[in-house]
Amino acid sequence: EIVLTQSPGTLSLSPGERATLSCRASQSVTTNYLAWYQQKPGQAPRLLIYGASSRATGIPDRFSGSGSGTDFTLTISRLEPEDFAAYYCQQYDSSPLTFGGGTKVEIK
Amino acid sequence: QITLKESGPTLVKPTQTLTLTCTFSGFSLTTGGVGVGWIRQPPGKALEWLAIIYSNDDKRYSPSLRSRLTITKDTSKNQVVLTMTNMDPVDTATYYCAHRMVAQLVLPFNYWGQGTLVTVSS
Repeated sequence: EIVLTQSPGTLSLSPGERATLSCRASQSVTTNYLAWYQQKPGQAPRLLIYGASSRATGIPDRFSGSGSGTDFTLTISRLEPEDFAAYYCQQYDSSPLTFGGGTKVEIK
Repeated sequence: QITLKESGPTLVKPTQTLTLTCTFSGFSLTTGGVGVGWIRQPPGKALEWLAIIYSNDDKRYSPSLRSRLTITKDTSKNQVVLTMTNMDPVDTATYYCAHRMVAQLVLPFNYWGQGTLVTVSS
């Protein structure tokens, strides 16, 4: 089983700042089948990034994903008020599918 | 337009069996490479994948919950059913169903239901 560790647990930033979220895998995600989701309180997760770096339909280009192997990053170039939320990474390279523990991006 | 919606009891007693139904539209589980999975989220905690079923009837389960889970599909009704036996208060969570694809384009969960909160309490 691939264990995903996200850091930091909480990121306190101001609107307009850059956010950098990390997701580290316990073993290589060989196909780069790594996704990022955004979740706001009371809502279902929304797919942001798939294949480590491809934006899902309708996702603004301020969201970008990078990385390969065991280290992946989600970057939000300039935080908008609606971006303050929880973010989860997920690997779909192998079964069992696994999620990271999440990073909460909060307003400083 | 793809939509999914979860239904089932909001309250179950410890040791009971939970049955959840995901009713979907906008796609068919007879189309190759399509899957519907279940994911849960305890209050204030992270997402946890539970199970998935594909159009070819391939089924996968979380190893930690495998003995308690069964996933089935009814293609005529556009439904996927998850049963979880021997429910415990730690199983209190919002349960989501979600769509994914493993065809020419391999995608994670790209469409999600709104979720249903299940509380386990006597």
